[in-house]
Amino acid sequence: DQQVKQNSPSLSVQEGRISILNCDYTNSMFDYFLWYKKYPAEGPTFLISISSIKDKNEDGRFTVFLNKSAKHLSLHIVPSQPGDSAVYFCAATRDRNTGTASKLTFGTGTRLQVTL
Amino acid sequence: DAGITQSPRHKVTETGTPVTLRCHQTENHRYMYWYRQDPGHGLRLIHYSYGVKDTDKGEVSDGYSVSRSKTEDFLLTLESATSSQTSVYFCAISGIRNREPYTFGSGTRLTVV
Repeated sequence: DQQVKQNSPSLSVQEGRISILNCDYTNSMFDYFLWYKKYPAEGPTFLISISSIKDKNEDGRFTVFLNKSAKHLSLHIVPSQPGDSAVYFCAATRDRNTGTASKLTFGTGTRLQVTL
Repeated sequence: DAGITQSPRHKVTETGTPVTLRCHQTENHRYMYWYRQDPGHGLRLIHYSYGVKDTDKGEVSDGYSVSRSKTEDFLLTLESATSSQTSVYFCAISGIRNREPYTFGSGTRLTVV
């Protein structure tokens, strides 16, 4: 049972345009969401996160939007750059108290290719 | 990230043999995790640790065991490797601060033939 879903395995966007990556979740207990970026032969690296008390979080070219009622979040990259070409994983967890492990549930990933 | 290293980076082993993967951190983080990455499944949690000698199962723990005898080392053992355990294995660490994101290692590509 895939609790976090990324229904688009791949996405191709022209340099300078907006990239929109989508993620859906089914577990209503999730209240903290993250995006990770992964290059080939490397581990995933943290990109941006959002708590369920917000509906938007922005960091430079990256913005994450959360729609709790639809159990949907999206990552917007504006403008897209060739260096953004990577696999993007959405992840979700229950916001934990200090002193407890944070177990992330990941989506299947979306491969973004930014073309010149 | 220099604070977390995985060894080996690549391994080919035969079905039925035991295999141990090592994760070493220099960040003194409390929490350590093992994930596997497979096409169509993303990353799935195998086991995690919340302190020395304190471990618990994740989503796909069957066929795997772990040990953590020191803060800095978290070992993943496949007792008797099977072809279904061919995968890329990632170790991750996180500290005690709430909402602290994981830092991942570079991964171990394991092939069971």
